[in-house]
Amino acid sequence: EPEVTQTPSHQVTQMGQEVILRCVPISNHLYFYWYRQILGQKVEFLVSFYNNEISEKSEIFDDQFSVERPDGSNFTLKIRSTKLEDSAMYFCASSGAHRGLREQYFGPGTRLTVT
Amino acid sequence: AQSVTQLDSHVSVSEGTPVLLRCNYSSSYSPSLFWYVQHPNKGLQLLLKYTSAATLVKGINGFEAEFKKSETSFHLTKPSAHMSDAAEYFCVANAGGTSYGKLTFGQGTILTVHP
Repeated sequence: EPEVTQTPSHQVTQMGQEVILRCVPISNHLYFYWYRQILGQKVEFLVSFYNNEISEKSEIFDDQFSVERPDGSNFTLKIRSTKLEDSAMYFCASSGAHRGLREQYFGPGTRLTVT
Repeated sequence: AQSVTQLDSHVSVSEGTPVLLRCNYSSSYSPSLFWYVQHPNKGLQLLLKYTSAATLVKGINGFEAEFKKSETSFHLTKPSAHMSDAAEYFCVANAGGTSYGKLTFGQGTILTVHP
């Protein structure tokens, strides 16, 4: 069964450093998403991406964040200058269609620890 | 604005007894609703979805949920718990409307199953 994969599973970085979180969505999906979950809090939407551009982003997704689909398979989330409060589990998801017509498939997550 | 509230952060049951995980939602639109499960070190797996067809929705592993518009609820049930059901469960809504598939999560319910 096809699945979404994410690498690395755990990333430790120092404050101010740049990190790139990588995701490989399901191959025939067209819509891609990033969510995050700070320890003890709800899973929060960050950004959705379709046709090589951002469809929607949350207030959290400020200028420090960017997303890219550099090739036909990868989908990345970059944080330019990490802060302590960026420590969280980051989930990538993909779907074949939006507006609730198709469910989103999630990866196992990358745990980002900023020290 | 849309929100999802899971009424219990932890639920503990004995193996073979019924499971009830409670979820209430609020939405300006007619939402699509989902239940996801997360086992340790695994991605979020879709259990079932409601998309305005039948109000009683059957999912995988014997789970089902009933959409009650009058109560704005979407509770998850299973007649008989199994040890393998121990996991964290998320009630999730998709607002539809102009949202490009953005999901809103409840805070999660950890289900413990005792032998």
